[in-house]
Amino acid sequence: NAGVTQTPKFRILKIGQSMTLQCTQDMNHNYMYWYRQDPGMGLKLIYYSVGAGITDKGEVPNGYNVSRSTTEDFPLRLELAAPSQTSVYFCASSYPGTSGREQFFGPGTRLTVL
Amino acid sequence: GDSVTQMEGPVTLSEEAFLTINCTYTATGYPSLFWYVQYPGEGLQLLLKATKADDKGSNKGFEATYRKETTSFHLEKGSVQVSDSAVYFCALITQGGSEKLVFGKGTKLTVNP
Repeated sequence: NAGVTQTPKFRILKIGQSMTLQCTQDMNHNYMYWYRQDPGMGLKLIYYSVGAGITDKGEVPNGYNVSRSTTEDFPLRLELAAPSQTSVYFCASSYPGTSGREQFFGPGTRLTVL
Repeated sequence: GDSVTQMEGPVTLSEEAFLTINCTYTATGYPSLFWYVQYPGEGLQLLLKATKADDKGSNKGFEATYRKETTSFHLEKGSVQVSDSAVYFCALITQGGSEKLVFGKGTKLTVNP
């Protein structure tokens, strides 16, 4: 199993550009999450999904959109990038029924908006 | 709302020293508690967990006990190694089925040889 994979690893955007961060998991997990990690601030939940076709906002959803058309994929869309979105983004997945509520994290995408 | 407070870092120790990273929480009901570790340049991975009061989670020589009376889940290790250098996050998931992790701000540990 590859676990949770994220692409790209690094990206530099100009203000106002758009991009999609990709996240795929091969563990057949029904729950998926997007977090952002800012220095000294821990991780904040952006969006999450409890299954294909179902998404919901987390703590910091403004400026982002998500979709969940399949169990495996949970892309995060940034529209009109702003410097405040400079961060490291982590995707995670879980299957609460069998994984003991553990979330499995991808390696992250480091995004810089200039 | 639910929150996690952990000791400010960074923490610098010599190899074989004793480690304690304090973590306290505020939550309704009986949350599940976790310690995640992030090695340089990597994503987070679960270190240990506890799901009910007085449970002790342990892994790789690290331990933490779920103390409901003090709402704490302090991380300890008796003898740290250079390879333990990482950022440690305390986190909780509350009851109710949302499965949303609430993280502390993280504590950076550096262990010198």
